[in-house]
Amino acid sequence: RKEVEQDPGPFNVPEGATVAFNCTYSNSASQSFFWYRQDCRKEPKLLMSVYSSGNEDGRFTAQLNRASQYISLLIRDSKLSDSATYLCVVTAEYNTDKLIFGTGTRLQVFP
Amino acid sequence: ETGVTQTPRHLVMGMTNKKSLKCEQHLGHNAMYWYKQSAKKPLELMFVYSLEERVENNSVPSRFSPECPNSSHLFLHLHTLQPEDSALYLCASSQDPYRDSGDTQYFGPGTRLTVL
Repeated sequence: RKEVEQDPGPFNVPEGATVAFNCTYSNSASQSFFWYRQDCRKEPKLLMSVYSSGNEDGRFTAQLNRASQYISLLIRDSKLSDSATYLCVVTAEYNTDKLIFGTGTRLQVFP
Repeated sequence: ETGVTQTPRHLVMGMTNKKSLKCEQHLGHNAMYWYKQSAKKPLELMFVYSLEERVENNSVPSRFSPECPNSSHLFLHLHTLQPEDSALYLCASSQDPYRDSGDTQYFGPGTRLTVL
């Protein structure tokens, strides 16, 4: 089983749509969770951290379910500029400087 | 601009060449990282340096040799590489790797390496 699993997509959605990405992780001892965004041929950039209580940043909402080892990212009112690959990232057990990345979910927003 | 720079941005080398990748961070961070990103694979952590000491080596072949002369600079020396080593090599830095919670890593733009 992969340490971090994501649906690779692509998700093709029209502008204004709501889209949700899911991610599962295998290590129940992972402590911290993130979503990174990676534009084509660019480096990954932190989009948001994910907390058990859920957190929202504008049109983006992240949720964590520790019991199910499941992380989600919801994007409301999609913009063309949201087109990118979204990487689910968790920290390794007891080693918080080691990040484990999923393969990413590709989003394409069309007019 | 993330404050992490990498040179060169593109590199083509033969299997017998020796080359080096350079990373510099201008953020005052204490930890630096090398990652490899291959097509359709998850990002792979290669090396971690904390306060200029190597703290992790993820079973990387010896043809990759890292060097961290100070907390702002990180090198990846390459020799006798294989075509399958062609990938994007990303450098990252973070403030304090020993925090209890996950530490945000800031990535450089990467070096796209092609081995012929």
